[in-house]
Order: sequence, then structure tokens, then C-alpha cells
Amino acid sequence: DGGITQSPKYLFRKEGQNVTLSCEQNLNHDAMYWYRQDPGQGLRLIYYSQIVNDFQKGDIAEGYSVSREKKESFPLTVTSAQKNPTAFYLCASRGDRGYGNQPQHFGDGTRLSIL
Amino acid sequence: DAKTTQPTSMDCAEGRAANLPCNHSTISGNEYVYWYRQIHSQGPQYIIHGLKNNETNEMASLIITEDRKSSTLILPHATLRDTAVYYCIVRGIQGAQKLVFGQGTRLTINP
Repeated sequence: DGGITQSPKYLFRKEGQNVTLSCEQNLNHDAMYWYRQDPGQGLRLIYYSQIVNDFQKGDIAEGYSVSREKKESFPLTVTSAQKNPTAFYLCASRGDRGYGNQPQHFGDGTRLSIL
Repeated sequence: DAKTTQPTSMDCAEGRAANLPCNHSTISGNEYVYWYRQIHSQGPQYIIHGLKNNETNEMASLIITEDRKSSTLILPHATLRDTAVYYCIVRGIQGAQKLVFGQGTRLTINP
């Protein structure tokens, strides 16, 4: 089935540790996104990428890093510089590069907690 | 992107049509109306979107008023699995990449 796969579903991080969240899509979509959702809150954009080897900061990029070496993959690293990383992380993709009306489609998320 | 207003919560009986309203009085000519839903602890699920004509797919129908200042999402035969928070989002085709989710409508389907 075509879709967006996020792994792992649950992740625990120790203080001072970097962790990487995986996002893979087989929809042949150009654009990919990372959002963060806190309890009872809306989504906040962390990073997005419209094409391979290019990405842009969103509203809350500090403490996060990304790469886009392959069209189907957009991993997010939560670094030790992110002081409040506990949240629900969502990856999305869309078929156009952001200049059309295609909807974003989401994965099932990764829930990150601090030990 | 235009701001949207939705009721905080709604109830609907199983098997009946669920009609979820959304006001977007400041919508501009090139902005689309998108609907998503989020079931607890899952990612948002895309439902439908439209510009000015009514739209229908296998999940729902979208009715947009002629002046485009409001819309209604219709789930024709609601089931218990339709219980979720439903978000109405207005977004243009250029510029901001992000989707802005408001508080949405918490729809509860009752048996």
C-alpha cells in the first residue's frame, strides 16, 4: 500500500542524547514536512523540503536538524539542544512542491518522551 | 491564510448524517478549503478539499456556499469510527507551506 511510514512509534531519549526519527514515503511525493504537536495544541512546522537536497526551516527549527538525500526519506534528528523535546512528531508529504492545491498526507506519528 | 471558526463539539447518532460547519468569512479568491480529522494518538487524515464547487469522494461531501464564506462537511452515514476531531483549514496555493490547524470540532458519534 502507498503511504507514509514513521518509525518508531514510541521513542525515549535520555538527557543530552540525540535521536533520529524516521519518515519514509512511497507516494513519489516531492515535498515533505515535519510537524510537532503538543497535548491539546495544534501542529507547528519544524522543517520542510520541496525537493531532494534542499530543505527550509519552519517556525520552530531550533534544536532540530533534517536531511533529504533521497526523495522518499526525510529523517528528523532531535538534538540535545532541544530542551523540551517531549511531543508527538508528525511527518507529512504532498505531491506538488507547494505551489498547487494538493493536500498534505500524514504518517501515524512518533511519540517522543524524555527519560 | 484565512482564519476559520468551527463549533467546539458536536454529537451525532450512528447511521445518521453528520454535518460539520465551518466559517471562513475572510477567504480570498485563490484559497482552498481543506478538511482533515484526527483520531486520538494518530496522525491527521485528509478527507476532502475544494475551491468553490461542491465536492464528493468516498469519505464525505463538501458543500461550499456561493459566497465561499462558509462550508459544511457531510459524513453521510456516520459510524462509531468517525468519532474524531475535525479540522477545517483554508490555504492558498502559494506562499506558506504549513497547514494551520485550529481547535477543530470534536465529533462524537453515539450508538
